[in-house]
Amino acid sequence: QQQVKQSPQSLIVQKGGISIINCAYENTAFDYFPWYQQFPGKGPALLIAIRPDVSEKKEGRFTISFNKSAKQFSLHIMDSQPGDSATYFCAASKTSGSRLTFGEGTQLTVNP
Amino acid sequence: EAGVAQSPRYKIIEKRQSVAFWCNPISGHATLYWYQQILGQGPKLLIQFQNNGVVDDSQLPKDRFSAERLKGVDSTLKIQPAKLEDSAVYLCASRLTSIGGEQFFGPGTRLTVL
Repeated sequence: QQQVKQSPQSLIVQKGGISIINCAYENTAFDYFPWYQQFPGKGPALLIAIRPDVSEKKEGRFTISFNKSAKQFSLHIMDSQPGDSATYFCAASKTSGSRLTFGEGTQLTVNP
Repeated sequence: EAGVAQSPRYKIIEKRQSVAFWCNPISGHATLYWYQQILGQGPKLLIQFQNNGVVDDSQLPKDRFSAERLKGVDSTLKIQPAKLEDSAVYLCASRLTSIGGEQFFGPGTRLTVL
């Protein structure tokens, strides 16, 4: 019930390409879905987040797509850059509490 | 604005030894979290404080892990005695309030248990 499953485990994309990372959740009580970016030796940093009342949210080159009926959400990185190379984590939580349940992570490599 | 500070950044100990990690959250942040991040996995919440009270410690292995936040500011996480499977990065995060808003993470302490 508390799991968030993330795929793929690793992803290699060419510069300028589109990176797509997918997550699925089980607990229908989750209503906050953030994506975190983590560079080696650093803590995770919030990238973008969505609530289930919208199906898509875009901030610059980053877009979250949300499918409530399928209990899935995804991160799209447009025009991927070598500086985007990092590990990306999806997460979910209930607004009433603040525990974040994280996915397993996706290691993204953007080749120049 | 200064971020979440953690120390030490790295620690290597033998199994059955004790270790303590320190966290200083962002000034004014009432909520503080400790996460365990095993290599290749996402962070897992160990304990959440609201000021100096524990809100959620359901995933804290209480037979060996303890944490405190006595004055509602700094926090210490202790492991006693350590096991090999405790090797991980221990992340501290803070948030202004308990509901809503962003969690800000520190750089973490990488623990290696030999």
